[in-house]
Amino acid sequence: NAGVMQNPRHLVRRRGQEARLRCSPMKGHSHVYWYRQLPEEGLKFMVYLQKENIIDESGMPKERFSAEFPKEGPSILRIQQVVRGDSAAYFCASSPSDNTGSKDGYTFGSGTRLTVV
Amino acid sequence: GEDVEQSLFLSVREGDSSVINCTYTDSSSTYLYWYKQEPGAGLQLLTYIFSNMDMKQDQRLTVLLNKKDKHLSLRIADTQTGDSAIYFCAVTSGTYKYIFGTGTRLKVLA
Repeated sequence: NAGVMQNPRHLVRRRGQEARLRCSPMKGHSHVYWYRQLPEEGLKFMVYLQKENIIDESGMPKERFSAEFPKEGPSILRIQQVVRGDSAAYFCASSPSDNTGSKDGYTFGSGTRLTVV
Repeated sequence: GEDVEQSLFLSVREGDSSVINCTYTDSSSTYLYWYKQEPGAGLQLLTYIFSNMDMKQDQRLTVLLNKKDKHLSLRIADTQTGDSAIYFCAVTSGTYKYIFGTGTRLKVLA
């Protein structure tokens, strides 16, 4: 049973380009969460999705960032017109339910490290 | 909003005990967690404690929870070089959102 798979592991983009980050949840998990880790900081919640639905995007920057979790395929975090400040590690986590108060915590992927040059 | 704070660095000698501390502001979390992040890797759930417990022991790991002071600690006994990593405490504020501390970078000296 593969864990949460994220790709690419490393992504370099020039300012103004688009970045697309992919996350395949664990088998049987239908809830996906994206977190961002800026250098020397903890992880910050970005968005919570279920299949075909955005449940909570309160942590997403208002512009340039979008996320989806289609019926088929991985969840995608899309950053348009990237800027240097978008350089960070982006982690995806999944759970079989909304995981509120679960002792199991989330299962995290290994992250995508985005560098904007 | 919820705030979780940790000291940034801790350095110990191999074989000694490490104690990593965390304070938080919101006490509605049912479980409180410790995650470990090795260089270039994702987060691995290390252990957790239920909010109505004071202590939990799991092999070399001991978690202490002081709800009155909103203080959580992780003790690693007989620290090894393989324990060198960043350790994050996390609370949930009663929702699916995890609030992470800034992480404590543990360095184990041989």
